[in-house]
Amino acid sequence: QVQVVQSGAEVKKPGASVKVSCKAVGYTFTGYYVHWVRQAPGQGLEWMGWINPNSGVTKFAQKFQGRVTMTSDTSINTANMELSRLRSDDSAVYYCVRQDRIRGTHVYYMDLWGKGTTVTVSS
Amino acid sequence: SYELTQPPSVSVSPGQTVSITCSGDKLGDKDACWFQQKPGQSPVLVIYQYTRRPSGIPERFSGSNSGNTATLTISGTQAMDEADYYCQAWDSSTVVFGGGTKLTVL
Repeated sequence: QVQVVQSGAEVKKPGASVKVSCKAVGYTFTGYYVHWVRQAPGQGLEWMGWINPNSGVTKFAQKFQGRVTMTSDTSINTANMELSRLRSDDSAVYYCVRQDRIRGTHVYYMDLWGKGTTVTVSS
Repeated sequence: SYELTQPPSVSVSPGQTVSITCSGDKLGDKDACWFQQKPGQSPVLVIYQYTRRPSGIPERFSGSNSGNTATLTISGTQAMDEADYYCQAWDSSTVVFGGGTKLTVL
C-alpha cells in the first residue's frame, strides 16, 4: 500500500530541537518531492518547505529559514525534518506530504499525506 | 508574500449545492488545489489544477477557475462532506494555503 509513515509524538522543552521522520512505503522515494506542513491546534495549514529526496535540494518558507533543516536518506527511503530553538507556538501536528505531478507537465499537487506527528513544546 | 483568501464558514442544507471561493492575485496562473480535512484526520486532496479530481473523489466535487478566484463546488451535499476545506496555490516554488473554510451541513 502506498503511504508515508511518520514517527511518533514528541514532547520537547522550549529551546530544544525536534526531528520528525517520514518513511515512504510502496513507491519510489526518490521520484517525488516531500513537503512538510504543520497545523497548530484549531488553526489552519502552514507550509514549512520541501525537499527533493534525490538531490537533497530544499526550499523553505521564509518564516522557518535558519531554524528548519530537511534531509533525506535514500538508503532507508526516509525524509526528516528538524526544527530547532523550539517555542511554545511550535506545538502543532506536523505532516509529511508527497508531491506528485501531471506527467509531461510542470503541474504539481500534494496527493499523499502522512497521519501527522504531534509535537508538544512545554516547560 | 502571496496570500489566499477564503470565507471562514459556509453552510448548506443536505442535498443542496454549495460553493467555496478562494481568491488571490493572479490565482489563475498558480494551479490551485483543494483539500478536505475532517476533525482528527489528515487533509485529503479533492481537486488539483483547478478542476481535476483524483481517483476516489466523488463526482459531486468539482472545481473551477476564473481569473483571481478558484471555486470548489459540492453538488448534492451530504452530511459526510461537513469538514474544513483549504485551497492551496504554488507561488515561485513555494506553497501557500488559504485560511480554510468550515463547511457546515445543516
